Amino acid sequence: EDQVTQSPEALRLQEGESSSLNCSYTVSGLRGLFWYRQDPGKGPEFLFTLYSAGEEKEKERLKATLTKKESFLHITAPKPEDSATYLCAVVSGGSYIPTFGRGTSLIVHP
Amino acid sequence: GAVVSQHPSWVICKSGTSVKIECRSLDFQATTMFWYRQFPKQSLMLMATSNEGSKATYEQGVEKDKFLINHASLTLSTLTVTSAHPEDSSFYICSARDLALGDRGYEQYFGPGTRLTVT
Repeated sequence: EDQVTQSPEALRLQEGESSSLNCSYTVSGLRGLFWYRQDPGKGPEFLFTLYSAGEEKEKERLKATLTKKESFLHITAPKPEDSATYLCAVVSGGSYIPTFGRGTSLIVHP
Repeated sequence: GAVVSQHPSWVICKSGTSVKIECRSLDFQATTMFWYRQFPKQSLMLMATSNEGSKATYEQGVEKDKFLINHASLTLSTLTVTSAHPEDSSFYICSARDLALGDRGYEQYFGPGTRLTVT
């Protein structure tokens, strides 16, 4: 059974204070790892897909990286508008149904 | 691109009535649509997976007679909560997988969610 663990559960940063969110996974045959952003009262917004170890993707202040055991979402010089819950999910084996982590709640103070 | 809409965005209904929630993929065709439920400050809980033209596959513990799912076309899926009770109050979110991606991508695109309150 696939397992996804995100840490920390909650993170408070000052504006401009860079940090990383972690997503550790245990799967049989990774097909893809996904990062989403979810604002309160809204559906998750797709950010990135990573397929293989060593892959990196960037979007504005966000950079996602992938190893064989975990993924990091690096946030560089965050702004208050980056405050949200960030979800990680994996798809593996012959299934297309993702397994989600519990998310990291990020708050960026001005 | 990859926009998914949901309607209504919020609904209040009385106990015992039924409520239908629509999920549409606006700019792509969805081979598969998913329905999730989310409780406050908790992660997504998959309720069911539906493929166009076939019966939905429900997750363990989800009552298929209570949560009716219809995936009538490649752009529309509906979730009907039948005989709703207060404990059905929740945030319901649908998502869709792009048919065009095939085996090249498994990312899902989510709708904005529907807040259901049963009084």
